[in-house]
Amino acid sequence: GAVVSQHPSRVICKSGTSVKIECRSLDFQATTMFWYRQFPKQSLMLMATSNEGSKATYEQGVEKDKFLINHASLTLSTLTVTSAHPEDSSFYICSAPRGVGQETQYFGPGTRLLVL
Amino acid sequence: GDSVTQMEGPVTLSEEAFLTINCTYTATGYPSLFWYVQYPGEGLQLLLKATKADDKGSNKGFEATYRKETTSFHLEKGSVQVSDSAVYFCALQHSGNTPLVFGKGTRLSVIA
Repeated sequence: GAVVSQHPSRVICKSGTSVKIECRSLDFQATTMFWYRQFPKQSLMLMATSNEGSKATYEQGVEKDKFLINHASLTLSTLTVTSAHPEDSSFYICSAPRGVGQETQYFGPGTRLLVL
Repeated sequence: GDSVTQMEGPVTLSEEAFLTINCTYTATGYPSLFWYVQYPGEGLQLLLKATKADDKGSNKGFEATYRKETTSFHLEKGSVQVSDSAVYFCALQHSGNTPLVFGKGTRLSVIA
């Protein structure tokens, strides 16, 4: 069964509103989670690394004030898209490493965001 | 920086045909290599992996061998099924607890 969940799976919002996406590790603790963005027919691009109890690390070109990440517990990371615009429409995917050496990444099912 | 290059899709095959999806990478050191599969409407699932040179990962009839000399990790299956229709992503990772670097994905369609 799934070990990483995301909620919601799909969201449609109006331009200018904020949207929160949750990523949960279901039966393990994850001090680190990763957020990716996938454009249609494109690869997954890493947006940021979410660190429990500390600030997220953002990739170059990703606006940290627009994509707010909070990793408040060992099983939950949230990504908030603030003041969303149509160009933010995308598929957002989180992952969490698990295993003895945390060598295996488990991916959430993704959240499709459509901004009108 | 690190990068992964996959063959362009889409790939369309008849059932029971042989499948090869090429993947090459550019990276420093000795990364681990992965193939992930994304079925329609679902999230990414790990298909197979290899952690060092000459390792062969295998699962569900799919195989890929870590070739350091050619920096490749080509995915193969001897006889594809309609249920194998999905998008396949090649990826690399340097160590545990670090993010993956993905190729662009290759869409496979298998027709009966």
